[in-house]
Amino acid sequence: KAGVTQTPRYLIKTRGQQVTLSCSPISGHRSVSWYQQTPGQGLQFLFEYFSETQRNKGNFPGRFSGRQFSNSRSEMNVSTLELGDSALYLCASSLGDNGNTIYFGEGSWLTVV
Amino acid sequence: DQQVKQNSPSLSVQEGRISILNCDYTNSMFDYFLWYKKYPAEGPTFLISISSIKDKNEDGRFTVFLNKSAKHLSLHIVPSQPGDSAVYFCAASGDKLIFGTGTRLQVFP
Repeated sequence: KAGVTQTPRYLIKTRGQQVTLSCSPISGHRSVSWYQQTPGQGLQFLFEYFSETQRNKGNFPGRFSGRQFSNSRSEMNVSTLELGDSALYLCASSLGDNGNTIYFGEGSWLTVV
Repeated sequence: DQQVKQNSPSLSVQEGRISILNCDYTNSMFDYFLWYKKYPAEGPTFLISISSIKDKNEDGRFTVFLNKSAKHLSLHIVPSQPGDSAVYFCAASGDKLIFGTGTRLQVFP
């Protein structure tokens, strides 16, 4: 069974630009969550989508948004990029019930210059 | 407000000895706890979990202990191996999964 797939793996953007990251969950998983990892900050929860609806949201500004498609694939978008947005963005999928284990992709490394 | 805390940013252990990684949480509504292991440039990998109705779960060399009254969980790795060197994250689940900041474990020969 294929794991969680994230694209692109690495990208460099300029301040003020916007970026879209893509995530394909494990087959059969209906929940997709997004996390941001920066040095010393651990994994910060961005949002979770379940059946095309945002089910939970972390404490990030509105520049960070996401969506989920009918096939459970998800995208997240960051607009008006800032230098501090440079981070590893991780997508994770699960069956979607409380207590389910979430499984991570390898992440997308975003550098904002 | 850090609901899940890993107060030790790093830990160094000799090969063959026990590694103990600690995690504290503040929200008594958390009902499921997990440990993940992360190598550089890779996504976190699920290691072991425990439900709040248990106080211990064991899987091979890995054992997780949960002390609900102290809001504390720990991961024991016995015996530690050089391949265990990685960053370990604990996570607690309520309506969403909250991660700690991680502990970097180094196992030396």
